[in-house]
Amino acid sequence: DAKTTQPNSMESNEEEPVHLPCNHSTISGTDYIHWYRQLPSQGPEYVIHGLTSNVNNRMASLAIAEDRKSSTLILHRATLRDAAVYYCDPGGSQGNLIFGKGTKLSVKP
Amino acid sequence: DADVTQTPRNRITKTGKRIMLECSQTKGHDRMYWYRQDPGLGLRLIYYSFDVKDINKGEISDGYSVSRQAQAKFSLSLESAIPNQTALYFCATSDLGRENTGELFFGEGSRLTVL
Repeated sequence: DAKTTQPNSMESNEEEPVHLPCNHSTISGTDYIHWYRQLPSQGPEYVIHGLTSNVNNRMASLAIAEDRKSSTLILHRATLRDAAVYYCDPGGSQGNLIFGKGTKLSVKP
Repeated sequence: DADVTQTPRNRITKTGKRIMLECSQTKGHDRMYWYRQDPGLGLRLIYYSFDVKDINKGEISDGYSVSRQAQAKFSLSLESAIPNQTALYFCATSDLGRENTGELFFGEGSRLTVL
């Protein structure tokens, strides 16, 4: 199974962009990369996913390295409501989904 | 109503008691999962099921058992609860079809305290 490495924590100022990195050097060639976030006192929620190309949706953008061994979740303008733990999951098609510890994002007003 | 519903949401029990956490889903997904979350440790997979007749152990299955009663229902049991099973438990579902990529949909969690 692909393993992930993410920084334990990051801090951002409100209204500024945030780049959350994830290394997944053992990812399978056919697996999607999913990102989730967990707001305080809630279950994790899906943010975005991609395979090879960069992706955008209303919540975020996902930049995927050409060799797919890393990806970066981009929040273009952080808000206080974006304060959460962000998890990347590079094993989307394997079923045995194992999350890492994630990155705790703090957003300062 | 939530697509993935967990019951109970909170439970306090004593060491040695049998506990069942239930999960039901209305998404029509074949795959269901139970995760455990402890402070500072992220989410760890306990058991997962790809369909009604398929049950698989995850990373930390010791002390737990599961039952997939129907496509929509997946229960987690602690036969004899112990204090280090105090945690927040999440059920999740996913589907792999032509237009799906396996993203997970989580319930709101069941907080279990074992005294």
